[in-house]
Amino acid sequence: GAVVSQHPSRVICKSGTSVKIECRSLDFQATTMFWYRQFPKKSLMLMATSNEGSKATYEQGVEKDKFLINHASLTLSTLTVTSAHPEDSSFYICSARDGTISTDTQYFGPGTRLTVL
Amino acid sequence: AQSVSQHNHHVILSEAASLELGCNYSYGGTVNLFWYVQYPGQHLQLLLKYFSGDPLVKGIKGFEAEFIKSKFSFNLRKPSVQWSDTAEYFCAVNADTDKLIFGTGTRLQVFP
Repeated sequence: GAVVSQHPSRVICKSGTSVKIECRSLDFQATTMFWYRQFPKKSLMLMATSNEGSKATYEQGVEKDKFLINHASLTLSTLTVTSAHPEDSSFYICSARDGTISTDTQYFGPGTRLTVL
Repeated sequence: AQSVSQHNHHVILSEAASLELGCNYSYGGTVNLFWYVQYPGQHLQLLLKYFSGDPLVKGIKGFEAEFIKSKFSFNLRKPSVQWSDTAEYFCAVNADTDKLIFGTGTRLQVFP
């Protein structure tokens, strides 16, 4: 149980284009999903927290107009990187928390490698 | 602000050696503590977690961690490592919020 998927696993795009990344909880309802960015040889940095049906809460320094997050259902959240630039190249990871379980555990997706040319 | 520090950035061991990875956090209140592992090319997986109760927590694959409140520590241990334990290990904490604060990670290499 508690499987989180991400699609695509890898994406290469041209500078200036937008890229959408999907995060799905496959076997549980995720009331809260999180988006992280992982730089090479560095830890995960939380970008934003999204709750189903409401606006995402962004961490300080994360541009909400650049990283659009939508959490329209209990099993799907999307991250859209708008007008991508080479510095946006990174590994993006989502996680989901099962709201029906009292323990506060996040389950992570496999990540999406974004390369902006 | 909450923070998590992992002192060992890169650890190299031979098989059968014992392992201890340090993790310290800064927060004065009640915390939930986690260790995650990321095997090469794979996603983060939960090794073990501590919410309350027995401060010695046993996780998967023979790992355990001990919560020492007075030292703000949650060190990860394994008595005898295997080559398959080669991975990146992350300590994480959350307190009062949904957010997980991660440490910088420790890269473990185990040689046969």
